Amino acid sequence: EPEVTQTPSHQVTQMGQEVILRCVPISNHLYFYWYRQILGQKVEFLVSFYNNEISEKSEIFDDQFSVERPDGSNFTLKIRSTKLEDSAMYFCASSPGQGFVYEQYFGPGTRLTVT
Amino acid sequence: AQTVTQSQPEMSVQEAETVTLSCTYDTSESDYYLFWYKQPPSRQMILVIRQEAYKQQNATENRFSVNFQKAAKSFSLKISDSQLGDAAMYFCAYRSETGTASKLTFGTGTRLQVTL
Repeated sequence: EPEVTQTPSHQVTQMGQEVILRCVPISNHLYFYWYRQILGQKVEFLVSFYNNEISEKSEIFDDQFSVERPDGSNFTLKIRSTKLEDSAMYFCASSPGQGFVYEQYFGPGTRLTVT
Repeated sequence: AQTVTQSQPEMSVQEAETVTLSCTYDTSESDYYLFWYKQPPSRQMILVIRQEAYKQQNATENRFSVNFQKAAKSFSLKISDSQLGDAAMYFCAYRSETGTASKLTFGTGTRLQVTL
């Protein structure tokens, strides 16, 4: 069964450094998402992406964040200058469509630790 | 903005018994979708069950069923014949019917323990 994959599974970085989290959505999916979950807290929406542009973004998704689909398969989240509070689990999700029947399939997540 | 509230941080159930997890939400929309996701220790989010707001009939998926009360804005999950593998965090989520690539809004989660 096709699945969303994410790399790396765990990323440790120093405060102020740039990180790129990578996701490979399911191949025929058209809608892509990033969510994050700070340890012990709820999952929060960051951004949605469709047709090579951002569809919606949350207040969390400020200028230090960016997303890109550099080729036909990868979907990346870049954090330009990491802060301690960016430490969280980051989940990528993809969906074949936007209607109700189109489930958002989640990847296994990347644990980002900022020291 | 929509909000989702799960008032039970933790629940415990004995194997083979039934447990109900609560979820309430707040929205001004009339059409929307509701979901329950399971997050086992592996941390991957797995869809358990979903409900369309315009459908009065409660959704069921094998041992999982929901009690959807639209007027009360309540969406509880019932797990029957609980199994050890059901132990996980359970998140209730809301999704708007309108807009492109609609996001999911999650509750704070309920940690379910299953005991022998």
